[in-house]
Parts: sequence; structure tokens; C-alpha cells
Amino acid sequence: SYELTQPPSVSVSPGQTASITCSGDKLGNKFAYWYQQRPGQSPVLVIYQDNKRPSGIPGRFSGSNSGNTATLTISGTQAMDEADYYCQAWDNSLWVFGGGTKLTVL
Amino acid sequence: EVQLVESGGGLVQPGGSLRLSCAASGFSFSNYWMTWVRQAPGKGLEWVANIKQDGSERNYVDSVTGRFTISRDNAKNSMYLQMNNLRAEDTAVYYCARGGLAAGDGFDIWGQGTVVTVSS
Repeated sequence: SYELTQPPSVSVSPGQTASITCSGDKLGNKFAYWYQQRPGQSPVLVIYQDNKRPSGIPGRFSGSNSGNTATLTISGTQAMDEADYYCQAWDNSLWVFGGGTKLTVL
Repeated sequence: EVQLVESGGGLVQPGGSLRLSCAASGFSFSNYWMTWVRQAPGKGLEWVANIKQDGSERNYVDSVTGRFTISRDNAKNSMYLQMNNLRAEDTAVYYCARGGLAAGDGFDIWGQGTVVTVSS
């Protein structure tokens, strides 16, 4: 079965750029999606189809996907961005989530 | 307002059954794939099942195949998850989410979740 691998944690200072990676076999041939989940809340879609932002998502969120790695980038990270982030891909009629990355804004 | 509201969670014994419901409002429910995602306590997201607009296609994660059944009633703007032969490892918050026009579209709207606890 298909697997997506994320680092368990990433730390960033306020105002700096955070990058969260998601690795999977030939992931660049699929669309990658990214979700943000704050403690006690439901997930929110922040990036779809590799690099598109849903309405209402700040412009500091961006995404890329090539080769075996998709990357979520948060520019000018704010304290409110502290959350768990999950990547996702569709493979062989099944959805797969990465294990999640806890972003800490120090 | 576009909204999804789950219900039907609760405490059930191992081997028991439960039926979850997801009520949709604020959008044309019949136009979208719909999905169930769960999250065990302290763990990550796990996709459970999805269903096509007309119910003609359904997909399941291996761990629930044969035990869970996803369905929908477009006339009632509702989706369901019938869960049989429940196991302790099915304990989780269950979210319903809206997919897109195609099966491979992500989930742009999520409900607040309903808690399922499987324990004796």
C-alpha cells in the first residue's frame, strides 16, 4: 500500500519560513493536498492540487510537488500557524494521509 | 452557510454496531463525493471510506472492509457509516468531509466530528 512520510516535528521562529516535507514514491505524479489541524479542532484544507490555496487561506501558505517530495511552505510564520499539518494523496482509488507534522512556532 | 454535522457516536462494546450520520447543508450535496475520516486519540488522520455522488462507487481502507458500509441519501442530504463488528482500534473521532466533483479531489469542508469509543 502507498505510504506518505512526514517529519514528526518542525520548529520555526516567528516571522521566519517553515517548510514541511511529505515523501512518497513518485508523489510528483499525483496531486498533493495539505491540511492544518489546530488542537481540538477539525482539519482545514490549506493547499490543494499541489499549490493552490482555497479561498480564505492566507497567501503565506504555498505548496510544491516534484519527484518524490511535496513541500508545504509557510512564509512569515505566525504564532497562529502552530498546528499539526497533514499531507494527503490519492492512489489506486484510496486516500492516504501522511503521519502528520507538529509545527512549533518558538 | 456550508456545514456538515455528524451524529451517532457513543460507547459500544467490542463486536457491537453503530451507525454514524452526517447531515449536510448550504450546498448541493448530490454534486459531491463524500468521505469519512477518523482520528484515534493522540494519533493522525486516517481515511476510512468515500462514496460517489450517486452511490455507485464506494471505496474503503483495508482495515474496515467487510465491517463498515458507507451510504448516502441525496434526498435527505445525508451520508451514513454503518459500523459492524467494532474493535477497540476503531475508537476515534469520526469526521465527515466533502470531497469534490472527482474522486481524487481533496476535502474542503469538514464536520466537527463524533466520538466513537469501543470498550467493554
